[in-house]
Amino acid sequence: NAGVTQTPKFQVLKTGQSMTLQCAQDMNHEYMSWYRQDPGMGLRLIHYSVGAGITDQGEVPNGYNVSRSTTEDFPLRLLSAAPSQTSVYFCASSYRQGQGTSGSSPQFFGPGTRLTVL
Amino acid sequence: KNEVEQSPQNLTAQEGEFITINCSYSVGISALHWLQQHPGGGIVSLFMLSSGKKKHGRLIATINIQEKHSSLHITASHPRDSAVYICAVKGTSGSRLTFGEGTQLTVNP
Repeated sequence: NAGVTQTPKFQVLKTGQSMTLQCAQDMNHEYMSWYRQDPGMGLRLIHYSVGAGITDQGEVPNGYNVSRSTTEDFPLRLLSAAPSQTSVYFCASSYRQGQGTSGSSPQFFGPGTRLTVL
Repeated sequence: KNEVEQSPQNLTAQEGEFITINCSYSVGISALHWLQQHPGGGIVSLFMLSSGKKKHGRLIATINIQEKHSSLHITASHPRDSAVYICAVKGTSGSRLTFGEGTQLTVNP
């Protein structure tokens, strides 16, 4: 059981380049999400998905695309990288929120991808 | 004003001390999460609670729904507890979490 895996761990891009950050989980979680973490700010939600074929925008979606063709995978695409996208990116998964008495379930995070855009 | 505020932002303690980290939120919630981010960057879920108190080892989390406040306590702190502790809340509808900025804890030997 690998949990949540992310690749790559580090990436340097030039402005205007595109790339895909990969995220996979083997826990059959319905809910997956992408966050970015910047100094002095909390984790901010970029995009999320509540199941295969369903995605939605989070707090800071501009410049990013996602798709969810399978339950396991949730890639994040940077269309045309900008220096403002320099950040650490985390993928997370959980059982679909709303189950259980609390309406929530523990989040499992990937190890993160440190992205620098020059 | 952020929906989730943590205090203090930074905390330095001596080994063995009792630690308290606070989280206040301004919206109705269905659950509150406490997370730990290790110096290497990995994030681990510590607690998820919607009422009362939970305990795991030396860690205790409490929540007061009426006061919109939660605390994370660490008893007999140890240098390996040094990490960033993050509070996050889930609103009463939808699936999204809103995160606090985190509290950097350093425990010195």
